[in-house]
Amino acid sequence: NAGVTQTPKFQVLKTGQSMTLQCAQDMNHNSMYWYRQDPGMGLRLIYYSASEGTTDKGEVPNGYNVSRLNKREFSLRLESAAPSQTSVYFCASSELPGQGKTQYFGPGTRLLVL
Amino acid sequence: RKEVEQDPGPFNVPEGATVAFNCTYSNSASQSFFWYRQDCRKEPKLLMSVYSSGNEDGRFTAQLNRASQYISLLIRDSKLSDSATYLCVVAFDRGSTLGRLYFGRGTQLTVWP
Repeated sequence: NAGVTQTPKFQVLKTGQSMTLQCAQDMNHNSMYWYRQDPGMGLRLIYYSASEGTTDKGEVPNGYNVSRLNKREFSLRLESAAPSQTSVYFCASSELPGQGKTQYFGPGTRLLVL
Repeated sequence: RKEVEQDPGPFNVPEGATVAFNCTYSNSASQSFFWYRQDCRKEPKLLMSVYSSGNEDGRFTAQLNRASQYISLLIRDSKLSDSATYLCVVAFDRGSTLGRLYFGRGTQLTVWP
């Protein structure tokens, strides 16, 4: 099993460009999450999907949209990138939402917005 | 105020040392507690869950004090391979926050030979 995979690994964008970060998991998990990690800030939840067909906002959703394409895939879209969105983005999945279930993380996407 | 507060360190200790990390959380409704480990430029990985009675996994011991809203991680006989950032994580599994984890900023540990 590959676990959680993310593409791309690195990306450089200019302000105003758009892009979609892809995430897929092969563990048959119901719940998926998008986080961003900035120096000194820790991981912050952007959006999550408790189950296929549902999505909810996290702590920092502004400037992002998500799509739960199917049970395996959860994408994050930046419609008009801003320098403040320079960050490392992690996708994660868990068997079920909450109940102390472990979240498994992908390797991350490093995004630089100029 | 952040939901989860940690001392960012860095902690620099020699091999074989014992080191302890502390963490406090603000929401008394918190229900699940974890320590994750993150190596440099890698993804976070679960190190261990933290149970009310305290729990041990080899050289690692986690403690929870609900009254003080305090979590700790003790590493005994430190190894070079323990060098990483340790993330304190809390979940409030109710209603709209179901499934959401709240991460501390992490405590950086370097173990030197």
